[in-house]
Amino acid sequence: SQKIEQNSEALNIQEGKTATLTCNYTNYSPAYLQWYRQDPGRGPVFLLLIRENEKEKRKERLKVTFDTTLKQSLFHITASQPADSATYLCALEFPGRRALTFGSGTRLQVQP
Amino acid sequence: SAVISQKPSRDICQRGTSLTIQCQVDSQVTMMFWYRQQPGQSLTLIATANQGSEATYESGFVIDKFPISRPNLTFSTLTVSNMSPEDSSIYLCSVEALSTGELFFGEGSRLTVL
Repeated sequence: SQKIEQNSEALNIQEGKTATLTCNYTNYSPAYLQWYRQDPGRGPVFLLLIRENEKEKRKERLKVTFDTTLKQSLFHITASQPADSATYLCALEFPGRRALTFGSGTRLQVQP
Repeated sequence: SAVISQKPSRDICQRGTSLTIQCQVDSQVTMMFWYRQQPGQSLTLIATANQGSEATYESGFVIDKFPISRPNLTFSTLTVSNMSPEDSSIYLCSVEALSTGELFFGEGSRLTVL
């Protein structure tokens, strides 16, 4: 079956460090992968989309990599700030489904 | 971008009753998606709602329990019928930006069933 796996344990890091979150998927080669941020009590907010032919994508302090051989995406936040504390979700569009499937998300806590 | 408004933002309901959630988008969109997010969980797709046709439901979700209306290109409703405490969840409406593939979400409707 098709699965998306994210580390369910919260990631705690110190302010200023780089946070790295992992998204693994199985049994499929998606055309693209997306990352979202979700704050408590809010709907998810789109951050980045990376396509299968892109190894890396950056947006300000955010960087996403996409390794289709490992079936893995890494999401990095450099110079992390307490305001980056949130749950980060990765999402894919599996074949035959016209909507995104989301991973379980990883909660990031940046300590001042 | 799209701005999505959901109503109600939260509600407390009695077992056995039904609640209709409204989703209004500030632009015309072809498809709207309804997701459920149970406490501490990720998002699960309930159904895809196209204007002018029946909604397409995901495995585990049926029309009798979650009837959906899509009367025009900017509006949709999701009804949670004959509610039980297991239906306590956040229900989220979303639309896709066709040019980028990203999803825009409403703020969600937090439903508590007693």
